[in-house]
Amino acid sequence: QQQVKQSPQSLIVQKGGISIINCAYENTAFDYFPWYQQFPGKGPALLIAIRPDVSEKKEGRFTISFNKSAKQFSLHIMDSQPGDSATYFCAASRISSRLTFGEGTQLTVNP
Amino acid sequence: SAVISQKPSRDICQRGTSLTIQCQVDSQVTMMFWYRQQPGQSLTLIATANQGSEATYESGFVIDKFPISRPNLTFSTLTVSNMSPEDSSIYLCSVVQGPEAFFGQGTRLTVV
Repeated sequence: QQQVKQSPQSLIVQKGGISIINCAYENTAFDYFPWYQQFPGKGPALLIAIRPDVSEKKEGRFTISFNKSAKQFSLHIMDSQPGDSATYFCAASRISSRLTFGEGTQLTVNP
Repeated sequence: SAVISQKPSRDICQRGTSLTIQCQVDSQVTMMFWYRQQPGQSLTLIATANQGSEATYESGFVIDKFPISRPNLTFSTLTVSNMSPEDSSIYLCSVVQGPEAFFGQGTRLTVV
Protein backbone atom coordinates (compact mmCIF):
# COMPACT_ATOMS: atom_id res chain seq x y z
CA GLN A 1 0.00 0.00 0.00
CA GLN A 2 1.17 3.49 -0.78
CA GLN A 3 1.99 5.30 2.42
CA VAL A 4 0.45 8.36 3.98
CA LYS A 5 2.55 9.76 6.79
CA GLN A 6 0.82 11.71 9.56
CA SER A 7 2.18 13.84 12.37
CA PRO A 8 2.14 14.45 15.25
CA GLN A 9 1.13 11.18 16.87
CA SER A 10 -0.46 13.08 19.75
CA LEU A 11 -1.36 16.69 20.33
CA ILE A 12 -2.48 18.61 23.40
CA VAL A 13 -4.10 21.99 22.89
CA GLN A 14 -5.77 24.44 25.21
CA LYS A 15 -9.42 25.33 24.67
CA GLY A 16 -9.67 28.10 22.10
CA GLY A 17 -6.32 27.26 20.53
CA ILE A 18 -5.51 26.04 17.02
CA SER A 19 -4.88 22.35 16.40
CA ILE A 20 -2.74 21.53 13.37
CA ILE A 21 -2.21 18.01 12.00
CA ASN A 22 -0.03 17.32 8.98
CA CYS A 23 0.04 14.58 6.36
CA ALA A 24 2.30 13.74 3.44
CA TYR A 25 1.64 11.28 0.64
CA GLU A 26 3.68 9.57 -2.04
CA ASN A 27 1.33 8.49 -4.79
CA THR A 28 0.68 11.33 -7.23
CA ALA A 29 -2.33 9.41 -8.57
CA PHE A 30 -4.24 10.15 -5.37
CA ASP A 31 -6.99 12.66 -6.07
CA TYR A 32 -9.10 12.63 -2.93
CA PHE A 33 -7.89 13.61 0.55
CA PRO A 34 -10.35 13.21 3.43
CA TRP A 35 -9.96 13.67 7.15
CA TYR A 36 -11.78 11.37 9.57
CA GLN A 37 -12.63 11.88 13.23
CA GLN A 38 -12.96 8.86 15.47
CA PHE A 39 -14.29 8.78 19.01
CA PRO A 40 -13.64 5.76 21.25
CA GLY A 41 -15.95 2.87 20.42
CA LYS A 42 -17.10 4.44 17.16
CA GLY A 43 -16.20 4.05 13.53
CA PRO A 44 -14.40 6.88 11.74
CA ALA A 45 -16.67 9.70 10.56
CA LEU A 46 -15.86 11.91 7.60
CA LEU A 47 -14.97 15.40 8.78
CA ILE A 48 -13.87 17.26 5.68
CA ALA A 49 -12.26 16.38 2.36
CA ILE A 50 -10.43 18.12 -0.47
CA ARG A 51 -9.61 17.46 -4.12
CA PRO A 52 -6.22 18.51 -5.52
CA ASP A 53 -7.64 21.25 -7.73
CA VAL A 54 -8.00 23.61 -4.75
CA SER A 55 -5.46 24.70 -2.15
CA GLU A 56 -7.81 25.24 0.76
CA LYS A 57 -11.25 24.20 1.94
CA LYS A 58 -13.01 25.51 5.01
CA GLU A 59 -16.05 24.12 6.80
CA GLY A 60 -16.87 25.88 10.03
CA ARG A 61 -13.90 25.63 12.37
CA PHE A 62 -12.18 23.01 10.19
CA THR A 63 -9.84 23.90 7.32
CA ILE A 64 -7.80 21.70 5.01
CA SER A 65 -4.73 23.24 3.40
CA PHE A 66 -3.35 21.37 0.39
CA ASN A 67 0.07 21.72 -1.24
CA LYS A 68 0.15 19.63 -4.40
CA SER A 69 3.79 20.31 -5.29
CA ALA A 70 4.95 19.29 -1.81
CA LYS A 71 2.47 16.39 -1.65
CA GLN A 72 1.31 17.57 1.75
CA PHE A 73 -1.98 18.49 3.32
CA SER A 74 -2.99 19.59 6.77
CA LEU A 75 -6.01 19.95 9.01
CA HIS A 76 -6.47 23.09 11.07
CA ILE A 77 -9.04 23.17 13.86
CA MET A 78 -9.71 26.72 14.94
CA ASP A 79 -11.04 27.60 18.40
CA SER A 80 -10.48 24.01 19.53
CA GLN A 81 -13.01 22.68 22.03
CA PRO A 82 -12.89 19.81 24.54
CA GLY A 83 -15.52 18.06 22.39
CA ASP A 84 -12.97 17.94 19.57
CA SER A 85 -10.87 15.53 21.63
CA ALA A 86 -10.69 12.44 19.42
CA THR A 87 -8.38 10.60 17.08
CA TYR A 88 -7.98 12.16 13.65
CA PHE A 89 -6.93 10.25 10.56
CA CYS A 90 -5.91 11.69 7.24
CA ALA A 91 -6.38 9.50 4.21
CA ALA A 92 -5.81 9.52 0.48
CA SER A 93 -7.26 7.64 -2.45
CA ARG A 94 -8.11 7.65 -6.07
CA ILE A 95 -11.70 8.80 -5.98
CA SER A 96 -14.30 6.08 -5.27
CA SER A 97 -11.51 3.63 -4.49
CA ARG A 98 -9.97 2.23 -1.34
CA LEU A 99 -8.50 4.62 1.22
CA THR A 100 -4.94 4.63 2.50
CA PHE A 101 -4.89 5.99 6.04
CA GLY A 102 -2.29 7.91 8.00
CA GLU A 103 -1.19 6.66 11.39
CA GLY A 104 -3.61 8.85 13.32
CA THR A 105 -3.29 11.77 15.76
CA GLN A 106 -4.78 11.65 19.22
CA LEU A 107 -5.98 15.17 19.99
CA THR A 108 -6.68 16.29 23.54
CA VAL A 109 -8.20 19.72 24.10
CA ASN A 110 -7.88 20.84 27.70
CA PRO A 111 -10.64 23.00 29.17
CA SER B 1 -24.90 9.41 3.22
CA ALA B 2 -24.90 5.64 3.58
CA VAL B 3 -25.98 4.12 6.89
CA ILE B 4 -24.10 0.98 7.82
CA SER B 5 -25.23 -1.51 10.46
CA GLN B 6 -22.56 -3.83 11.71
CA LYS B 7 -23.12 -6.82 14.01
CA PRO B 8 -22.02 -7.83 16.56
CA SER B 9 -20.71 -4.63 18.09
CA ARG B 10 -18.36 -6.60 20.30
CA ASP B 11 -17.58 -10.17 21.22
CA ILE B 12 -15.21 -12.18 23.37
CA CYS B 13 -14.21 -15.45 21.73
CA GLN B 14 -12.16 -18.48 22.61
CA ARG B 15 -9.00 -19.11 20.63
CA GLY B 16 -9.45 -21.61 17.83
CA THR B 17 -13.04 -20.61 17.16
CA SER B 18 -14.46 -18.45 14.34
CA LEU B 19 -16.59 -15.32 14.33
CA THR B 20 -18.69 -13.98 11.49
CA ILE B 21 -19.27 -10.23 11.32
CA GLN B 22 -22.22 -8.90 9.35
CA CYS B 23 -22.43 -5.58 7.52
CA GLN B 24 -25.74 -4.24 6.20
CA VAL B 25 -25.98 -1.05 4.14
CA ASP B 26 -29.15 0.97 3.59
CA SER B 27 -28.46 1.41 -0.12
CA GLN B 28 -26.94 -0.59 -2.95
CA VAL B 29 -23.19 -0.19 -3.30
CA THR B 30 -20.74 -1.75 -5.70
CA MET B 31 -17.73 -2.08 -3.46
CA MET B 32 -17.53 -2.86 0.23
CA PHE B 33 -14.30 -2.79 2.18
CA TRP B 34 -13.24 -4.58 5.33
CA TYR B 35 -10.64 -2.96 7.60
CA ARG B 36 -8.85 -4.00 10.75
CA GLN B 37 -7.87 -1.50 13.43
CA GLN B 38 -5.57 -2.87 16.08
CA PRO B 39 -5.59 -1.14 19.49
CA GLY B 40 -4.24 2.39 19.21
CA GLN B 41 -3.41 1.91 15.54
CA SER B 42 -4.61 3.10 12.19
CA LEU B 43 -6.93 1.25 9.81
CA THR B 44 -5.51 -1.47 7.60
CA LEU B 45 -7.45 -2.74 4.61
CA ILE B 46 -8.11 -6.48 4.72
CA ALA B 47 -10.01 -6.94 1.48
CA THR B 48 -12.36 -5.43 -1.06
CA ALA B 49 -15.64 -7.26 -1.61
CA ASN B 50 -17.48 -6.91 -4.90
CA GLN B 51 -20.86 -8.49 -5.47
CA GLY B 52 -20.68 -11.51 -7.73
CA SER B 53 -16.93 -11.98 -7.62
CA GLU B 54 -14.21 -13.19 -5.31
CA ALA B 55 -12.97 -10.71 -2.73
CA THR B 56 -9.59 -9.12 -3.36
CA TYR B 57 -7.22 -9.48 -0.41
CA GLU B 58 -4.40 -7.17 0.58
CA SER B 59 -0.89 -8.37 1.24
CA GLY B 60 -0.73 -10.22 4.54
CA PHE B 61 -4.38 -11.30 4.52
CA VAL B 62 -5.60 -14.60 3.08
CA ILE B 63 -9.00 -16.02 2.25
CA ASP B 64 -8.62 -19.06 4.50
CA LYS B 65 -8.20 -16.80 7.53
CA PHE B 66 -10.68 -14.08 6.53
CA PRO B 67 -13.34 -15.54 4.21
CA ILE B 68 -15.74 -12.94 2.89
CA SER B 69 -19.19 -13.28 1.40
CA ARG B 70 -21.01 -10.68 -0.71
CA PRO B 71 -24.35 -12.19 -1.66
CA ASN B 72 -25.96 -8.92 -2.79
CA LEU B 73 -25.35 -5.19 -3.14
CA THR B 74 -26.35 -4.30 0.43
CA PHE B 75 -24.79 -7.04 2.56
CA SER B 76 -21.44 -8.64 3.31
CA THR B 77 -19.89 -10.84 5.96
CA LEU B 78 -16.33 -11.22 7.18
CA THR B 79 -15.34 -14.35 9.10
CA VAL B 80 -12.29 -14.38 11.33
CA SER B 81 -11.28 -18.04 11.39
CA ASN B 82 -9.28 -20.12 13.86
CA MET B 83 -8.81 -17.09 16.06
CA SER B 84 -5.76 -16.34 18.19
CA PRO B 85 -5.19 -13.47 20.65
CA GLU B 86 -3.35 -11.60 17.86
CA ASP B 87 -6.70 -11.26 16.06
CA SER B 88 -8.02 -9.04 18.86
CA SER B 89 -8.89 -5.85 17.01
CA ILE B 90 -11.72 -3.69 15.80
CA TYR B 91 -13.07 -4.82 12.46
CA LEU B 92 -14.84 -2.23 10.31
CA CYS B 93 -16.79 -2.41 7.11
CA SER B 94 -16.88 0.55 4.78
CA VAL B 95 -18.64 1.59 1.60
CA VAL B 96 -17.94 4.29 -0.93
CA GLN B 97 -20.63 6.52 -2.37
CA GLY B 98 -19.29 9.01 -4.86
CA PRO B 99 -16.08 10.33 -3.40
CA GLU B 100 -17.01 9.65 0.20
CA ALA B 101 -16.32 6.58 2.32
CA PHE B 102 -18.61 5.65 5.20
CA PHE B 103 -17.88 3.28 8.05
CA GLY B 104 -19.85 1.05 10.33
CA GLN B 105 -19.49 1.32 14.08
CA GLY B 106 -17.04 -1.54 14.10
CA THR B 107 -16.88 -4.91 15.84
CA ARG B 108 -14.56 -5.02 18.82
CA LEU B 109 -13.19 -8.55 19.00
CA THR B 110 -11.30 -9.92 21.97
CA VAL B 111 -9.80 -13.39 21.69
CA VAL B 112 -8.95 -15.14 24.95
